[in-house]
Amino acid sequence: DVKVTQSSRYLVKRTGEKVFLECVQDMDHENMFWYRQDPGLGLRLIYFSYDVKMKEKGDIPEGYSVSREKKERFSLILESASTNQTSMYLCASDLSQGHTDTQYFGPGTRLTVL
Amino acid sequence: AQSVTQLDSQVPVFEEAPVELRCNYSSSVSVYLFWYVQYPNQGLQLLLKYLSGSTLVESINGFEAEFNKSQTSFHLRKPSVHISDTAEYFCAVANTGFQKLVFGTGTRLLVSP
Repeated sequence: DVKVTQSSRYLVKRTGEKVFLECVQDMDHENMFWYRQDPGLGLRLIYFSYDVKMKEKGDIPEGYSVSREKKERFSLILESASTNQTSMYLCASDLSQGHTDTQYFGPGTRLTVL
Repeated sequence: AQSVTQLDSQVPVFEEAPVELRCNYSSSVSVYLFWYVQYPNQGLQLLLKYLSGSTLVESINGFEAEFNKSQTSFHLRKPSVHISDTAEYFCAVANTGFQKLVFGTGTRLLVSP
């Protein structure tokens, strides 16, 4: 079974702190994604990566950056956390080659910024 | 640009009743369509998908969805729901080829005894 793990289920940080959210997948997937999920807004794509050291902006990249140094690991970074970044963050990966296909999601990290 | 509309934010239903969760999309090109389910305190998991071929697709737990190109819809149905189907359901669309997924805002299905 594909497994996508996220480093924390719950995280509480203070405004201005630098925050790292880690995601690891064990199925040698090429593509990895970071979404945030908010009530009434569904999932919105923050960043994605098609390969090691490669990244592309999604729909809401402002205030975030990412790092993909190894194929299995994709990190989301909040350089200076703000209260409006309080949200559920979901990581996903897929093996899409040539066309979009099933994404596999981690359990999510619920981040609260005070 | 693509978009996905899930008009119903919440659908309450009694156990063993039928249910339909609606999904409409907008796209000027051919699409792939997905339904994902999120059980409480979990991430999303794929329920079913349409990539090509038969327009009626089924899941292993009794859900089905039909791709209707003329109505740009991909509604999810189940003839008889269980308490365990209580979850949030997300419809998603991507243009054919390799394009990012666009998700709807979700529909919370509440099944009561």
